[in-house]
Amino acid sequence: DIQMTQSPSVLSASVGDRVTLNCKASQNINKYLNWYQQKLGEAPKLLIYNTNNLQTGIPSRFSGSGSGTDYTLTISSLQPEDVATYFCFQHNSWYTFGAGTKLELK
Amino acid sequence: QVTLKESGPGMLQPSKTLSLTCSFSGFSLSTSGMVVSWIRQPSGKSLEWLAAIDWDGDKYYNPSLKSRLTVSKDTSNTQVFLKITSVDIADTATYYCARAKLGGALFDYWGQGVMVTVSS
Repeated sequence: DIQMTQSPSVLSASVGDRVTLNCKASQNINKYLNWYQQKLGEAPKLLIYNTNNLQTGIPSRFSGSGSGTDYTLTISSLQPEDVATYFCFQHNSWYTFGAGTKLELK
Repeated sequence: QVTLKESGPGMLQPSKTLSLTCSFSGFSLSTSGMVVSWIRQPSGKSLEWLAAIDWDGDKYYNPSLKSRLTVSKDTSNTQVFLKITSVDIADTATYYCARAKLGGALFDYWGQGVMVTVSS
């Protein structure tokens, strides 16, 4: 099984900050990495697919990068509506979600 | 407009079989490339992919749960079902169905989720 480790588990940042969330796979996942945003009480929403492809309708302040085992979600300028938990998800070998990073406003 | 909605029993006893239904509109599961998956989330925890069924009727299961899961769809391709046998407290979660296409891993539309509690 491929394990996905996200860091940090909780991140506090201010509006306008550049924010970076990390996701590390237990083995090479060949860029088959998606990011989901889940706001409190809602279903997850697809933000980024296959490492760096922005899903339709998602603001351009969200971007993704990475390769091999290490991947990053970046928010270039944090907005209040970005408060949520972010999950990475690998689909190289079956499907596995990370434990999530909870993003809070400072 | 794509919508999905899950339904289930709300609560059931340990050792019973959980039956869930995903009713959807705005797309047809008979369209090539379409996939519907089931994903669950215990309260306050992460997500776990459970199973999927594609446009061709092929079925895919989480290897760690495969022996307890059965996914199916109706002949009109507007509903997908999931059965989980021998439930226990660890199966308490919100269960989501989600649509994907072009390979099955880009869950672009999700239902609102249905909460299932396993309790005696």
